Amino acid sequence: AQSVTQLDSQVPVFEEAPVELRCNYSSSVSVYLFWYVQYPNQGLQLLLKYLSGSTLVKGINGFEAEFNKSQTSFHLRKPSVHISDTAEYFCAVSLTGGGNKLTFGTGTQLKVEL
Amino acid sequence: GAGVSQSPSNKVTEKGKDVELRCDPISGHTALYWYRQSLGQGLEFLIYFQGNSAPDKSGLPSDRFSAERTGGSVSTLTIQRTQQEDSAVYLCASTPGRQVNTEAFFGQGTRLTVV
Repeated sequence: AQSVTQLDSQVPVFEEAPVELRCNYSSSVSVYLFWYVQYPNQGLQLLLKYLSGSTLVKGINGFEAEFNKSQTSFHLRKPSVHISDTAEYFCAVSLTGGGNKLTFGTGTQLKVEL
Repeated sequence: GAGVSQSPSNKVTEKGKDVELRCDPISGHTALYWYRQSLGQGLEFLIYFQGNSAPDKSGLPSDRFSAERTGGSVSTLTIQRTQQEDSAVYLCASTPGRQVNTEAFFGQGTRLTVV
């Protein structure tokens, strides 16, 4: 079975500073990787996904993530955050072999401060 | 509709009562998923419907939980004899097809509180 670990439950950061949200996964088979964002009182929204090809994936709102197979990681980064990036971020995986459900991490609350 | 719609947005119920949560997916989406979001535990897969295929119920935590999808569209998640540990946000998502490597569109969820 696959699993996802987000070690940081909360990440405080000042506006315009860079941020990295960590995600590690475990799976015996190949997976697809996703980052979703949940703004306050809203549903989850896809930020970016890795399916194949280039290991550096760019998403919406200036976010990017890099797939590292040897370290089984898919960390999310942004070079300069904005107050509006305050939200909860979820890393997720699904199986490439026809899997039909997402396995999520426990989420990281990003709090951007002035 | 324009997005995935869930109702009610909030539900408070007494322990032991039955509740029904509704999900209206994006028109034309054949796949529908239910997840549960508990405090500090991320999102937990509950059940998956794909077209007319038998649903994948592997995530349902107990036989008190059931779900149906009528006419390949609207879905209802039913929790019988609710317990306090059922308190959570229940999220519904839909995708255009079978594979989850396409984007899943989520509703805003139903916050269930069992008192």
